[in-house]
Amino acid sequence: GAVVSQHPSWVICKSGTSVKIECRSLDFQATTMFWYRQFPKQSLMLMATSNEGSKATYEQGVEKDKFLINHASLTLSTLTVTSAHPEDSSFYICSATADGVSNQPQHFGDGTRLSIL
Amino acid sequence: GENVEQHPSTLSVQEGDSAVIKCTYSDSASNYFPWYKQELGKRPQLIIDIRSNVGEKKDQRIAVTLNKTAKHFSLHITETQPEDSAVYFCAATPYSSASKIIFGSGTRLSIRP
Repeated sequence: GAVVSQHPSWVICKSGTSVKIECRSLDFQATTMFWYRQFPKQSLMLMATSNEGSKATYEQGVEKDKFLINHASLTLSTLTVTSAHPEDSSFYICSATADGVSNQPQHFGDGTRLSIL
Repeated sequence: GENVEQHPSTLSVQEGDSAVIKCTYSDSASNYFPWYKQELGKRPQLIIDIRSNVGEKKDQRIAVTLNKTAKHFSLHITETQPEDSAVYFCAATPYSSASKIIFGSGTRLSIRP
């Protein structure tokens, strides 16, 4: 149980393109989803917390207009990188938790490797 | 906000020996501490976690200890095997934000045959 699917796994696109990444909880309802960015040989940096039906909460330094997050249902959150540039190239990972109130383990997707040319 | 520090950044041990990774946290109200294992290009996988009302937890070759007073927690892997080679991350949950977790910087563990 507790499977999180992330799609696509790889994206290569030209600078200026907008890219949408989907994160789905397959066998549970995800009250809260999280989006992370991971550069090579570095840790996971939390970008934003996404709650179903409300606006995402962004971490300090993350541009909300550049990284658009939508959490329209209890099983789907999307991250759109708008007008992507080479410096946005990274490994983006989502995670989901079924309970947004008490501390529960987060279940991670397989990640999306984004390469901007 | 919560800050999690982890060391060492790299660790190489002989197969069969034990490995210890240490972390400290800053928010004394944090109450949940998971450990994740991440292989190259793959998702982090939860290997063990501990809550603040427990001082130690063990699962086969893996154990975690928590010292709330000192605000540090450690991962212990005994009888290491080649498949233990990976990057390990500690994490802590700030009390102010349920479920949000802050990761340490990671430890690259290599097991020498």
